[in-house]
Amino acid sequence: TQLLEQSPQFLSIQEGENLTVYCNSSSVFSSLQWYRQEPGEGPVLLVTVVTGGEVKKLKRLTFQFGDARKDSSLHITAAQPGDTGLYLCAGAENNDMRFGAGTRLTVKP
Amino acid sequence: NAGVTQTPKFRVLKTGQSMTLLCAQDMNHEYMYWYRQDPGMGLRLIHYSVGEGTTAKGEVPDGYNVSRLKKQNFLLGLESAAPSQTSVYFCASRRTGRHEQFFGPGTRLTVL
Repeated sequence: TQLLEQSPQFLSIQEGENLTVYCNSSSVFSSLQWYRQEPGEGPVLLVTVVTGGEVKKLKRLTFQFGDARKDSSLHITAAQPGDTGLYLCAGAENNDMRFGAGTRLTVKP
Repeated sequence: NAGVTQTPKFRVLKTGQSMTLLCAQDMNHEYMYWYRQDPGMGLRLIHYSVGEGTTAKGEVPDGYNVSRLKKQNFLLGLESAAPSQTSVYFCASRRTGRHEQFFGPGTRLTVL
């Protein structure tokens, strides 16, 4: 059983569409991170959220941390083919990190 | 700066063989991690280290050993490889007080 549940597992959309992916847990985390991973490479950090209710924007990406610090969402506006990849959320517990299984996003031109 | 490097990139082992995966980072980070990534299961933490000479177990430590003799290196050992250890292994590091982990490019290991 994953400590962090991500949904949907797979998402295929057309260029220009909006989308939201979710990361949910029954545990409280001191911080939550979103990473993007491309095939054959390691994950690369997109954002870290620390405060309950926090919203961060990174160009067309909007990240939100739930008030109870148990869940998070990632919204992409006007998706582009370059957004294609595996999106992973990760929660910090003391010194270690727990990752979700990821959402594999495909944006078709 | 090379960041985080991993060697080898690919390896095929027979059941029962042993091997060591090497992770090196040149960012002077205190924390280092070893993960395995399997389809549909995301990244699972094997072992981690909060500093030179210290290691701790993660979520899936069985069948693996680690050593952190130097701050810049974190070694992952498989004493007797099993097919269940077929996976992609990632090393990561981070600085104390910072959340961001920097990942290496991964090692793809197949155990026959």
